Amino acid sequence: NAGVMQNPRHLVRRRGQEARLRCSPMKGHSHVYWYRQLPEEGLKFMVYLQKENIIDESGMPKERFSAEFPKEGPSILRIQQVVRGDSAAYFCASSPRGSSYNEQFFGPGTRLTVL
Amino acid sequence: AQSVTQPDIHITVSEGASLELRCNYSYGATPYLFWYVQSPGQGLQLLLKYFSGDTLVQGIKGFEAEFKRSQSSFNLRKPSVHWSDAAEYFCAVGNNAGNMLTFGGGTRLMVKP
Repeated sequence: NAGVMQNPRHLVRRRGQEARLRCSPMKGHSHVYWYRQLPEEGLKFMVYLQKENIIDESGMPKERFSAEFPKEGPSILRIQQVVRGDSAAYFCASSPRGSSYNEQFFGPGTRLTVL
Repeated sequence: AQSVTQPDIHITVSEGASLELRCNYSYGATPYLFWYVQSPGQGLQLLLKYFSGDTLVQGIKGFEAEFKRSQSSFNLRKPSVHWSDAAEYFCAVGNNAGNMLTFGGGTRLMVKP
């Protein structure tokens, strides 16, 4: 059973460009979570999605960031007009249910560098 | 709001020595607690979890953790550290809504030969 897959693993963008990060959850998982890890810091929750629904986006910056998890295909985290402060590792996690148990399985991350 | 504190940013131990990484949490209800390990440039791997029941939980790679409600702690332990344990360790708490994990700032473990 393949784990959570994220691509690309490394992404370099210039200021003002768009970044698209993709996440394919584990087979059978319908819940996806995105986290951001700034250098030398822990992971911070960004958004929680189920298929075609955003359940909780309380951790998402109000501007330039958006996320989706369509009926078919991977979840996408989109960052428009990137700035240097967006440089970070972005991790996706999935779970088979959004239960209280919260057991989430993490992907390898996408490391975004903004020049 | 829930929060997690890992007081030690860096810890260095000798190979073969015992290890304890501290974690304190703040959460109003019964917490769901986790320890993850992250090797350089890698994602997070779950070491162990606590939901309920026995307060001493066993995990992978010889790790264990003890939940102490009175101290709001969930410290990670290993009796004998191996060089391959060098990594960053994150404690996390989950909320009852099942929609997020709150992570501590991490403890970076270095192992001396």
